[in-house]
Amino acid sequence: QSVLTQPPSVSAAPGQKVTISCSGGSSNFANEYVSWYQQLPGTAPKLLIYDNYKRPSGIPDRFSGSKSGTSATLAITGLQTGDEADYYCGTWHYSLSAWVFGGGTKLTVL
Amino acid sequence: EVQLLESGGGLVQPGGSLRLSCAASGFIFSSQAMTWVRQAPGKGLEWVSGISGGGGSTYYADSVKGRFTISRDNSRNTLSLQMNSLRAEDTAIYYCAKDLLTSTVHAFDIWGQGTLVTVSS
Repeated sequence: QSVLTQPPSVSAAPGQKVTISCSGGSSNFANEYVSWYQQLPGTAPKLLIYDNYKRPSGIPDRFSGSKSGTSATLAITGLQTGDEADYYCGTWHYSLSAWVFGGGTKLTVL
Repeated sequence: EVQLLESGGGLVQPGGSLRLSCAASGFIFSSQAMTWVRQAPGKGLEWVSGISGGGGSTYYADSVKGRFTISRDNSRNTLSLQMNSLRAEDTAIYYCAKDLLTSTVHAFDIWGQGTLVTVSS
């Protein structure tokens, strides 16, 4: 059971928008920065979002992040078949003195 | 080009030891914290350990505390993970990753390709 809770799967049609939630479940989470990672099949993870909403250079603005209280959200607009991947949220957990990942969400583009 | 290249994975018996290395290039290695993340077959990502840029601060997941030791050699731009008392549940692909910050575990912007560790008799 992950400290961060994500839905196991989400799906949407090409061109549509999808959101993936990441729930921290503790008041500490409200004060922490969340990052999001995309893992395409058979490849290493890739940073999509850091500090809740910032995008590294090269990440298209179709990907956006937000955070409110103990929940963070990754939104992907203009879905493409190439977006099919596993998506993970992560943050530093002060109570555990450890980094934690969510359980991951598999995105299917129908 | 910023690159991370892991090595040292392989097959090891339960109770055995293995040392993973990660060679870094293309950035000022000592200026960035570094991290190890693993992924068991068919499972999600699990953070294993992190170390500050200077090496003075180290962090471990409870699942590996007391068995794994993270270290770095900034003169050789190399990150290491010494793994002792290995268990079947340590079987995974191990990734090294570069942190955005120097002193703390914050977010991981560059990842290596991973090295497979299999613990089995």
